[in-house]
Amino acid sequence: NAGVTQTPKFQVLKTGQSMTLQCAQDMNHEYMSWYRQDPGMGLRLIHYSVGAGITDQGEVPNGYNVSRSTTEDFPLRLLSAAPSQTSVYFCASSSRTADTQYFGPGTRLTVL
Amino acid sequence: DQQVKQNSPSLSVQEGRISILNCDYTNSMFDYFLWYKKYPAEGPTFLISISSIKDKNEDGRFTVFLNKSAKHLSLHIVPSQPGDSAVYFCAAKPLRGANSKLTFGKGITLSVRP
Repeated sequence: NAGVTQTPKFQVLKTGQSMTLQCAQDMNHEYMSWYRQDPGMGLRLIHYSVGAGITDQGEVPNGYNVSRSTTEDFPLRLLSAAPSQTSVYFCASSSRTADTQYFGPGTRLTVL
Repeated sequence: DQQVKQNSPSLSVQEGRISILNCDYTNSMFDYFLWYKKYPAEGPTFLISISSIKDKNEDGRFTVFLNKSAKHLSLHIVPSQPGDSAVYFCAAKPLRGANSKLTFGKGITLSVRP
């Protein structure tokens, strides 16, 4: 049972490039979410999904797209990276009835 | 508008003593509160939680107190150990269940000195 996995661990992009941050969980959790952590800002919700085929925006969704075609995977897409998207990104999952979320190890993204 | 506030960015405590981490919230709709612990280069991990119908929840060395009238909660760690050195996030949600979104505070960096 690997829990929540994220790839890559580190990534450097140039302004305007696109990329996808991968997130997968093997716990059959319905709920998945993406957060970003910035210094002095805590964790802020980007997008979330309550099940396959259903996604919704969080607190800071601009510049990011998500899709949920399977229960296991919840990729986060940056269509045109900007320096303001330099951050550490965490994916999390939980079962529908649970209050606690399981977090992945994070992806550290730098946009130059 | 920050709905969950952790106003002290850091705390340093001697090993064996008590650590008290504070958290305030402004949204009266919050009904469930959680503490997460985060080590460098790792994701946050759940530590302890409390429902608004309680004023205290204890798990080993960790106790969370909730003062609903003051919209304040605190995490007590007794005795503190060097392995407790980490960033602690307070989080809150309006309803039980996964579909209720979590709002996090900015975090407190706890350093426990040997």
